[in-house]
Amino acid sequence: QSALTQPPSASGSPGQSVTISCTGTSSDVGGYNSVSWYQQHPGKAPKLMIYDVSKRPSGVPDRFSGSKSGNTASLTVSGLQAEDEADYYCSSYAGGNNLVFGGGTKLTVL
Amino acid sequence: EVQLVQSGAEVKKSGESLKISCKGSGYSFTSYWIGWVRQMPGKGLEWMGIIYPGDSDTRYSPSFQGQVTISADRSISTAYLQWSSLKASDTAIYYCARPPYGWTSGWENWGQGTLVTVSS
Repeated sequence: QSALTQPPSASGSPGQSVTISCTGTSSDVGGYNSVSWYQQHPGKAPKLMIYDVSKRPSGVPDRFSGSKSGNTASLTVSGLQAEDEADYYCSSYAGGNNLVFGGGTKLTVL
Repeated sequence: EVQLVQSGAEVKKSGESLKISCKGSGYSFTSYWIGWVRQMPGKGLEWMGIIYPGDSDTRYSPSFQGQVTISADRSISTAYLQWSSLKASDTAIYYCARPPYGWTSGWENWGQGTLVTVSS
């Protein structure tokens, strides 16, 4: 069982917005501003989309945004595009020598 | 341009040893952490551990402590992940990655992955 809980699937139509949640505990998501989000297309390496809860690396479209409330972090994808269809994983620092990932969410663009 | 280039796919038998590599370029290898992530077939990502090549400070996930060894050779800008005795359950894709904002933050640069297949 993954340390962080994500819904297994999410979907939306082109142009719509979709939000993916990532629920942890006060020992990980709730305790640190170290939540990241990764996008992974089939057969490819993961790509960092959001780090430190809401920061975007250079080159990531501003359609991708992150937030956190208590023990739950969220990734919102606005203006959905076909190329956004992928698996999305959250991760969080969990104290000591530990980093944990969520189980992943498959985003389908209808 | 930051690049992480991993060694090629491996096919091994249970009980054998293995060392896979990840060569960094385009940045100061000794100034940034570099770590490893496992992805078993059809499954999610699992953080294994990380090393700071500048002083060899190494941190392991509790799930992988004692199961693998992470090391680095500064002279050739290469990080390694090794097993002393492989199991069939080690079959997975292994990615190396670099977190430029600190090891607890986002991992921005990724290798292409190394597929390790272990037969029993």
